[in-house]
Amino acid sequence: GQQVMQIPQYQHVQEGEDFTTYCNSSTTLSNIQWYKQRPGGHPVFLIQLVKSGEVKKQKRLTFQFGEAKKNSSLHITATQTTDVGTYFCAGVRGGNNLFFGTGTRLTVIP
Amino acid sequence: GAVVSQHPSRVICKSGTSVKIECRSLDFQATTMFWYRQFPKQSLMLMATSNEGSKATYEQGVEKDKFLINHASLTLSTLTVTSAHPEDSSFYICSASKTENTEAFFGQGTRLTVV
Repeated sequence: GQQVMQIPQYQHVQEGEDFTTYCNSSTTLSNIQWYKQRPGGHPVFLIQLVKSGEVKKQKRLTFQFGEAKKNSSLHITATQTTDVGTYFCAGVRGGNNLFFGTGTRLTVIP
Repeated sequence: GAVVSQHPSRVICKSGTSVKIECRSLDFQATTMFWYRQFPKQSLMLMATSNEGSKATYEQGVEKDKFLINHASLTLSTLTVTSAHPEDSSFYICSASKTENTEAFFGQGTRLTVV
């Protein structure tokens, strides 16, 4: 079946440091979405990438979609304590079926 | 953004009983809703796709007789955990999208504890 892996599983950074999480799918994706889940909360949509090689920015967050549409990355510049949470990529397999990656849990140390 | 409401947020039940979880799209119609299960510190696992007016589509390994899904209207899907056992204890969460291939809006989730 389709698998979406993310690395690292955990990341602890000092406030102000950068952070990157990588997402890899075993199959080509029609598009990829990124979500953030705070502890005890539900996933909240961040962005969707559709085109091969696409790069999108949201303030300190930069999202990339690989040329082969099988991998993606999320980079946060100068992390803040509000960035704490688990970041999930989710591959779309036809319709709206989302298959979530394993997630990267980010801890930011003040 | 759109609102998806899930109820209850927490439920404790005895082994052998059944629990119903509701998922409502409050400001849009959703022909399709999705049910996920999440274990502590783990990812969301898609359980099934709930289709309005037709049978749900279950992912491999998910027992359809155990997890009954009903999508009777364009704004409501329900998940019933039948004859619950302690191993069914988990965080269950639903989602819906306004249109195909757009962002998913998640309910607040339901933490089920079976004692």
